[in-house]
Amino acid sequence: NAGVMQNPRHLVRRRGQEARLRCSPMKGHSHVYWYRQLPEEGLKFMVYLQKENIIDESGMPKERFSAEFPKEGPSILRIQQVVRGDSAAYFCASSPWGSNTEAFFGQGTRLTVV
Amino acid sequence: AQTVTQSQPEMSVQEAETVTLSCTYDTSESDYYLFWYKQPPSRQMILVIRQEAYKQQNATENRFSVNFQKAAKSFSLKISDSQLGDAAMYFCAYRGGDTGGFKTIFGAGTRLFVKA
Repeated sequence: NAGVMQNPRHLVRRRGQEARLRCSPMKGHSHVYWYRQLPEEGLKFMVYLQKENIIDESGMPKERFSAEFPKEGPSILRIQQVVRGDSAAYFCASSPWGSNTEAFFGQGTRLTVV
Repeated sequence: AQTVTQSQPEMSVQEAETVTLSCTYDTSESDYYLFWYKQPPSRQMILVIRQEAYKQQNATENRFSVNFQKAAKSFSLKISDSQLGDAAMYFCAYRGGDTGGFKTIFGAGTRLFVKA
């Protein structure tokens, strides 16, 4: 049973380009969460999705950031027109519906904007 | 809104000694879950220990144990017989349990150094 898979592990983008980060949840998990970790800081919640629905996006910046979790395929976190301040590690986690245990984390994508 | 506070940015412990990492949280929920995660330099988030709020008994996992004080909203992690491999960032985390699928809220973290 594969864990939460994130790709790519490392992503380098120039300022102004688009970044697409992918997350495949664990089998049977219908909830996906995205977190951002700036250097030397904790994980900050960004968005919580179920299949084809955004449940809570209270942590998402209002501009340039979007997320989706389609019926088929991985969840995508998209950052348009990246700036240096977007450089961070982005973690995805998943959990089954009705779970009373922890969410399971992927290994993260390290985004570097040059 | 729920918050998690870790007041110790860094801690240091001698190998084989015991160290306690502090965590406090704030919530109005009655049913929730608390976690300690370890993040080594590889950045992988590793679950160390879990505590359900409705359980009075403190959770224990081998050398790791917690002191859960629900009334005080305190959740400290004790690491006994510290090993060099315990050196990492440790994050305290909260997850609401009233309905399924709630987001996890993290503290700022405590960096643990282990001296040989």
